[in-house]
Amino acid sequence: EPEVTQTPSHQVTQMGQEVILRCVPISNHLYFYWYRQILGQKVEFLVSFYNNEISEKSEIFDDQFSVERPDGSNFTLKIRSTKLEDSAMYFCASSGSFQETQYFGPGTRLLVL
Amino acid sequence: GNSVTQMEGPVTLSEEAFLTINCTYTATGYPSLFWYVQYPGEGLQLLLKATKADDKGSNKGFEATYRKETTSFHLEKGSVQVSDSAVYFCALTNQAGTALIFGKGTTLSVSS
Repeated sequence: EPEVTQTPSHQVTQMGQEVILRCVPISNHLYFYWYRQILGQKVEFLVSFYNNEISEKSEIFDDQFSVERPDGSNFTLKIRSTKLEDSAMYFCASSGSFQETQYFGPGTRLLVL
Repeated sequence: GNSVTQMEGPVTLSEEAFLTINCTYTATGYPSLFWYVQYPGEGLQLLLKATKADDKGSNKGFEATYRKETTSFHLEKGSVQVSDSAVYFCALTNQAGTALIFGKGTTLSVSS
C-alpha cells in the first residue's frame, strides 16, 4: 500500500539554525500539507500546497517557514532560524484532491536546543 | 471558522468494555469528518471517515455517524481490546477543504 515517508525521523538542532524536513508524498497525489504537534498538544495545520503554490497557511506559518517541491517526488519544509518553541513533531500529509482523505507520514521529531 | 470539540481524556476501560468518545463540531457548509488514531510512538492513521450527513464510517470494529442535526461524530466500539490503546483525534475539513482541523485528542487506555 502506498504511503507517505518522511526524513529524518529525528532531528536535533541548535536555536537559530536552519532545518529542512523532507517528505515523499504518495506518488499520484497532488495536494500536500504540513502539520505540527507540540508534545502533548493537538495537531495543528501549518500549510497546504498545490500546483507549486501555497493554497492556505495558518498563523503559525510565518516568514521563518517555507515549503518547496524541488523535484517530482519530494516536498520540503524549511525552518529558517529555529526557536525553542519550534520543537515538535512535524507531519507531512498528501491527498488526491482537497476534501479527499489526507494520508499522513510517520513524522519528524524536531528538538531545538 | 470550522472547529471541533472532543471529550477530554484519559479514558480508561477494561477489555471488552463499550467505548464512546464524543466529538461535536461547528462548521460552515458541509465538511468531511474523520477519526484518526495515533498509537504510541507512531504517526497519524486514518481510522474512519464520513463525507455527508447520515453517513456511517466504520473500520476495525469502530463506527461513527455524521449527525448534522446534533453536529456530532461520536466514535463507538462495542468491545475494546488492549491493542486499541492509543490517542484518538476527531477532525474535520475547513470551509475551503484545504486543511484539517483537529480536536485535542482523547487518550484511551485499555487494560486486560
